Amino acid sequence: ETGVTQTPRHLVMGMTNKKSLKCEQHLGHNAMYWYKQSAKKPLELMFVYSLEERVENNSVPSRFSPECPNSSHLFLHLHTLQPEDSALYLCASSQTTGGYFQETQYFGPGTRLLVL
Amino acid sequence: AQSVAQPEDQVNVAEGNPLTVKCTYSVSGNPYLFWYVQYPNRGLQFLLKYITGDNLVKGSYGFEAEFNKSQTSFHLKKPSALVSDSALYFCAVSVSGAGSYQLTFGKGTKLSVIP
Repeated sequence: ETGVTQTPRHLVMGMTNKKSLKCEQHLGHNAMYWYKQSAKKPLELMFVYSLEERVENNSVPSRFSPECPNSSHLFLHLHTLQPEDSALYLCASSQTTGGYFQETQYFGPGTRLLVL
Repeated sequence: AQSVAQPEDQVNVAEGNPLTVKCTYSVSGNPYLFWYVQYPNRGLQFLLKYITGDNLVKGSYGFEAEFNKSQTSFHLKKPSALVSDSALYFCAVSVSGAGSYQLTFGKGTKLSVIP
C-alpha cells in the first residue's frame, strides 16, 4: 500500500478556500489517475495523465485543476468548491505501453475532503 | 459504453463458510476484469484480474474469480470466509484496445463475515 501515497489524508475547507491534494507513486509507473468516491455511488474517473500529458478530463468542473509535473507526482488543485464536492479523492497509477491502459491500477489511501 | 453491475449491496456469510460476491458486466469487445477490496478509511487494494486464458483466476488472500463469457459474469469466491475478509468489494471492467483507459467500477458490495 505504500506504493502510492496521498497527502493530506483529511482536509476540511470552506467554499472560498484554495487547497491542493498531492499524490506520489513509487512504482515507476507512467500513468496517473484521479478518482472521486462518494457514498452510494461508483467511483468516478476525473482525470488521466499519461507520460505527464492529460489524456482525459471526464467532464469535471473547472474548480478542480490537475497538475502532473513529472511521472511520479500528481496534484489536484481545489478552489471555490461546493459542499457536494465532499468525498474521498483517490489517486491511482499504472504502467501503460503503447497507449494500452489495461494494466492494473494501484491506489493510494485517499484524501477525505469535507467542504463546509 | 461499458458497465458493471454488482446486484447485492451487502452479503452476509458465517465465518468458515464459502462466500460469493457477484458481478456482471457489459462491454463492446474483449473485457479486462478486476476485483478490488477496500477496508475502512483505506484506498482500493487489487485482488485479482482476468485478461485472457484460464477462466478461473486466483488472487490474493485465497480469493478466486471465474470468468463466464456466456453469462458475462465475473463472480468473486473464497472457499472459507474469515472475519478479516469483511470489507467493501468492487468489480471493475475495461476493454482491450489502444487508448482505452476507462476502468468502470461497480457500486460495490459490502461483505460482512459473522464470527
